[in-house]
Amino acid sequence: NAGVTQTPKFRILKIGQSMTLQCTQDMNHNYMYWYRQDPGMGLKLIYYSVGAGITDKGEVPNGYNVSRSTTEDFPLRLELAAPSQTSVYFCASSSQRGGVSYEQYFGPGTRLTVT
Amino acid sequence: GNSVTQMEGPVTLSEEAFLTINCTYTATGYPSLFWYVQYPGEGLQLLLKATKADDKGSNKGFEATYRKETTSFHLEKGSVQVSDSAVYFCALRALPSRAGGTSYGKLTFGQGTILTVHP
Repeated sequence: NAGVTQTPKFRILKIGQSMTLQCTQDMNHNYMYWYRQDPGMGLKLIYYSVGAGITDKGEVPNGYNVSRSTTEDFPLRLELAAPSQTSVYFCASSSQRGGVSYEQYFGPGTRLTVT
Repeated sequence: GNSVTQMEGPVTLSEEAFLTINCTYTATGYPSLFWYVQYPGEGLQLLLKATKADDKGSNKGFEATYRKETTSFHLEKGSVQVSDSAVYFCALRALPSRAGGTSYGKLTFGQGTILTVHP
């Protein structure tokens, strides 16, 4: 059981480049999330999705885009990378029933550096 | 808005010492509270949780009690091991903003506390 997988593990981008962080879960969870973790800070929610075709902004969405075409995949797109986007990115998923969500399962993270 | 504040780290202890990591929160109503642990090079894992006042969450020798009167959820362990070395995050899941709604499971995290345990 793979759980939540993320690729790549590490990436260095130049300012202005773009890239997509991949996230896949094999638990058939409806809810998926993208967080960023900055040094000495907690995780901040970037975007979340409650099902295929449905996404919404979290606390810090600027500079990012997401899509959810399938239940399994929730890619995060960075357009015009900036040094402020240097961070560790975590994808997570959870199941839900009757509008109540359960434990979030996290991927191993992607460490991104923008120089 | 909602917020979570954890004690400043890093925390360094000797094996078998007693551990306390403080966590306080600000939220309306009765949020659910969580402790997550992040081992080196890995993602976060749920350690324990409590969903209502006076609940005690426990797992792997760790405990935390939901204290509504002090808005706290301090993590404790009576005897730490080297394998407990990790980053610990306190988090809350707020109630829906309206009756019958959902918060979609969104979590608000504290800044994390690094724990290092020496033999």
